[in-house]
Amino acid sequence: GAVVSQHPSRVICKSGTSVKIECRSLDFQATTMFWYRQFPKQSLMLMATSNEGSKATYEQGVEKDKFLINHASLTLSTLTVTSAHPEDSSFYICSARGPPRGIYEQYFGPGTRLTVT
Amino acid sequence: AQKVTQAQTEISVVEKEDVTLDCVYETRDTTYYLFWYKQPPSGELVFLIRRNSFDEQNEISGRYSWNFQKSTSSFNFTITASQVVDSAVYFCAGRSASKIIFGSGTRLSIRP
Repeated sequence: GAVVSQHPSRVICKSGTSVKIECRSLDFQATTMFWYRQFPKQSLMLMATSNEGSKATYEQGVEKDKFLINHASLTLSTLTVTSAHPEDSSFYICSARGPPRGIYEQYFGPGTRLTVT
Repeated sequence: AQKVTQAQTEISVVEKEDVTLDCVYETRDTTYYLFWYKQPPSGELVFLIRRNSFDEQNEISGRYSWNFQKSTSSFNFTITASQVVDSAVYFCAGRSASKIIFGSGTRLSIRP
């Protein structure tokens, strides 16, 4: 099956700093990528959807200036948490999907655990 | 709008018992997909099954089985002869537009 990777798997940063999380589709071209956030013992909440080469579409309540998403290539999307605060500590999971006539299934990455101190 | 409801927050059973996890999916669309994922303590989602709205056949895979009833919008998941390794959080999810949304999850604990 298709593989999606995330880097780093864990990151600890200080309050006020920015942190970047990478999501890569390893063996297929991801025309659409999704970013989810999961707080402890809660469900996965969709943060945003991005199509390659276009601006991301954010879900209601998600601050686009705080969570910067870049999907500049068909295999890479990045999520940058700017000026991180302890409340941003969470498990971030990306998901990638290919074009309708290709790998149209949605595959999930292993997640990145962010801790802001 | 779409909504996935998993009414069972936590379930605990003794090993070898059968257990059923409930899921109800609500959408106005007639075409949609339903999923079940397992999330062990490591956090990585494990894909279990995908079912489209036009296929109401039950599915069985080893000790796992799924029952989809479109009339009640339910997509229930049964584990037969549960094992300790089945302990995890299980998420039901649905997709009727372009994005997958998740239910709140059911934490399943299998006691030896």
